[in-house]
Amino acid sequence: DSGVTQTPKHLITATGQRVTLRCSPRSGDLSVYWYQQSLDQGLQFLIQYYNGEERAKGNILERFSAQQFPDLHSELNLSSLELGDSALYFCASSVVTGSEQFFGPGTRLTVL
Amino acid sequence: DQQVKQNSPSLSVQEGRISILNCDYTNSMFDYFLWYKKYPAEGPTFLISISSIKDKNEDGRFTVFLNKSAKHLSLHIVPSQPGDSAVYFCAASARETSGSRLTFGEGTQLTVNP
Repeated sequence: DSGVTQTPKHLITATGQRVTLRCSPRSGDLSVYWYQQSLDQGLQFLIQYYNGEERAKGNILERFSAQQFPDLHSELNLSSLELGDSALYFCASSVVTGSEQFFGPGTRLTVL
Repeated sequence: DQQVKQNSPSLSVQEGRISILNCDYTNSMFDYFLWYKKYPAEGPTFLISISSIKDKNEDGRFTVFLNKSAKHLSLHIVPSQPGDSAVYFCAASARETSGSRLTFGEGTQLTVNP
């Protein structure tokens, strides 16, 4: 158990819909990262927050957005969902930027 | 552009023997490297890391070697155990220039046979 929690574990929705994925980092960790793992793309970095502020952006679509709240939990919002958005979404956290990242169990999103 | 590559999709070894997993990278700005293990339906689990100022780091049965001139790193597991069977991912970051984002390889499925 890494100490990073993600909800929900599974999510099934339809094209065009909007969903929110939630992540609670390990106690004391200020950085939160979001990654997407799809069959054809492997694990891809989406976005990082540090203590409430966006720190880095990767291959994140404009339809996706994220935020980190004062209690340090983070949410990833996915809108206008397409079939290709079906993937595993992982959250990770670290104490500081540049240290090892600890991953949550992931949310499996299926878009029908 | 695949900046981190794991050229072996799978590796099979006997229990008790050494497992060697390999990883190559192309981005010379990478300065921090990590190995993760992943079981099905779980998130990646951090195993071991190495900074570019070192060429070796050891933690119990796991040793990571870094060859900067060849842009190559490897993970040695000795002795291998059946519980080590999982997908192993190599990851890298360029902390000085790109922060903490990790770039992952495609993974290698390790099977340790009893």
